[in-house]
Amino acid sequence: NFMLTQPHSVSESPGKTVTISCTRSSGSIASNYVQWYQQRPGSAPTTVIYEDNQRPSGVPDRFSGSIDSSSNSASLTISGLKTEDEADYYCQSYDSSNRGVFGGGTKLTVL
Amino acid sequence: QVQLQESGPGLVKPSQTLSLTCTVSGGSISSGGYYWSWIRQHPGKGLEWIGYIYYSGSTYYNPSLKSRVTISVDTSKNQFSLRLSSVTAADTAVYYCARDFNRWFDPWGQGTLVTVSS
Repeated sequence: NFMLTQPHSVSESPGKTVTISCTRSSGSIASNYVQWYQQRPGSAPTTVIYEDNQRPSGVPDRFSGSIDSSSNSASLTISGLKTEDEADYYCQSYDSSNRGVFGGGTKLTVL
Repeated sequence: QVQLQESGPGLVKPSQTLSLTCTVSGGSISSGGYYWSWIRQHPGKGLEWIGYIYYSGSTYYNPSLKSRVTISVDTSKNQFSLRLSSVTAADTAVYYCARDFNRWFDPWGQGTLVTVSS
């Protein structure tokens, strides 16, 4: 079993770029795809990145995902920040038994 | 466009069984190619995957909940269901159902809050 660790919160100004990390505790980050979900207050999560770096249709190209084997982590980068990007972001992967694993979530504040 | 909707009691007494149903529209569970998962979120907390079912009835549960969880499917109604037994206050959460493509969860239902209280 492994855990995914995210920063509790990040903040940045509108128009800037922010990166949220997601570090896998054991096993290779590259072993299993990583997804990123956005959750606004009172709403269900929606996908912003799937399969490490794929963007669903309708998600702006300001959102990008990557993995870094050297730090065993995945990252979500949001450029040209807008106030509407303020939300909680969760990374998610799965283990060798196909058990879903979520990170603890990161609260993004755009101020 | 596939949509999912959870339904079930919002209040369950301690030691009883929580039962929820997810109705899928805009697509058929029995067409295959996807799993169907339940996920929960404790108030103000993160997300916890509960388990999945395939249209054939095969299941896989989170080991942390396995002894209390049953997920079933009714393809004739295009629904799948969650039963969680012997609930306590720690099971109070928003419960989501979601389509599951090899553990990529999309889309999600709107979620339903279940409170465990006497």
